[in-house]
Amino acid sequence: RKEVEQDPGPFNVPEGATVAFNCTYSNSASQSFFWYRQDCRKEPKLLMSVYSSGNEDGRFTAQLNRASQYISLLIRDSKLSDSATYLCVVRGTGNQFYFGTGTSLTVIP
Amino acid sequence: DVKVTQSSRYLVKRTGEKVFLECVQDMDHENMFWYRQDPGLGLRLIYFSYDVKMKEKGDIPEGYSVSREKKERFSLILESASTNQTSMYLCASGTGTGNIIRGGYTFGSGTRLTVV
Repeated sequence: RKEVEQDPGPFNVPEGATVAFNCTYSNSASQSFFWYRQDCRKEPKLLMSVYSSGNEDGRFTAQLNRASQYISLLIRDSKLSDSATYLCVVRGTGNQFYFGTGTSLTVIP
Repeated sequence: DVKVTQSSRYLVKRTGEKVFLECVQDMDHENMFWYRQDPGLGLRLIYFSYDVKMKEKGDIPEGYSVSREKKERFSLILESASTNQTSMYLCASGTGTGNIIRGGYTFGSGTRLTVV
């Protein structure tokens, strides 16, 4: 079983829509959780960390559900510039980070 | 902002060549990582280092070695390049104490290596 699993999509949504991605992880002792964004042919960049109580950064909301071992990312009022691949990242008990394969989002005018 | 610089953006090498990929970070991070990224497989960890002269194998170390002689520089070496090592290679660094990362990574812009 993979450490981190994501729905690869693609998600095609109209501008202004709300879209949510989920990601599941297999190690219940995982320590830290992140969402990264990767544009085509570019490196991944940290979008936001995910905290136990949930956290928000503008139009982006991240949630962690330890009991069910998943994290989620909600994007409200989607913009064309949100089109990218979103990577779920989980740090295990050591120094190892595990990346999901990414969820592709295209926001359509 | 922390900067992670990879020496080459695109590289074409022949099968059997020895290949060096260089990565330099300017924020005094203890931890550095080499990943490869392939379609459908995501990022896979090759090697990482949490201190000078320290190295740890990741998930797919076969066919690779690394060198960390200075804190800011982490080199990935393909001893004898093969076509199945054609990939995007990403270096990353992160801060932490001992071997525990705090926060996320910062990635370099990647090296797209083609082995022919």
